[in-house]
Amino acid sequence: DGGITQSPKYLFRKEGQNVTLSCEQNLNHDAMYWYRQDPGQGLRLIYYSQIVNDFQKGDIAEGYSVSREKKESFPLTVTSAQKNPTAFYLCASRPGPHRYNEQFFGPGTRLTVL
Amino acid sequence: GDSVTQMEGPVTLSEEAFLTINCTYTATGYPSLFWYVQYPGEGLQLLLKATKADDKGSNKGFEATYRKETTSFHLEKGSVQVSDSAVYFCALSEDAGGTSYGKLTFGQGTILTVHP
Repeated sequence: DGGITQSPKYLFRKEGQNVTLSCEQNLNHDAMYWYRQDPGQGLRLIYYSQIVNDFQKGDIAEGYSVSREKKESFPLTVTSAQKNPTAFYLCASRPGPHRYNEQFFGPGTRLTVL
Repeated sequence: GDSVTQMEGPVTLSEEAFLTINCTYTATGYPSLFWYVQYPGEGLQLLLKATKADDKGSNKGFEATYRKETTSFHLEKGSVQVSDSAVYFCALSEDAGGTSYGKLTFGQGTILTVHP
């Protein structure tokens, strides 16, 4: 079945540690996105990638980094520079740039900093 | 910049009640509009969409009409069920030209709880 997988579902990290969240899609989509969701708030865009080996900062990129070495993979690293990393992280992909194309979301990773 | 405003929540209804969740938007171009639904602990699922003025998106008894004159995309359902309890997000997507590259701009979400 085609879809987006994120792992792990739950992740715990000590302060000062970097952690990498996995996102894989087998939909053959060009564009991929990372969002952060906090309670009572909408989704905020962290990074997005239009094609392999290219990515752009979103609205809240500070303290995060990404790579796009393969079309199907878009991992997100939460660095120790991110001041408040506890949140629910959602990965999404989209088949192309046209405005009528919806984004497809993975199940999310809940990160908790201890 | 683009923005989406949803009605304040949470919304609590009894089963079979009529649902309206208001959504208005501000956009520089001619966006597509979406409603997504999120069940507890899960990612977002597309509920419905509309890509041009006066289009009506519909799915699972939910409907929303793209109103350009009022910049609105209100979600409605005639008779809600307990299984509709979830968080609902209104979102817009601009053309891919320029710097937007098809990113979604979300409202803050509306929590819906339906009681038996």
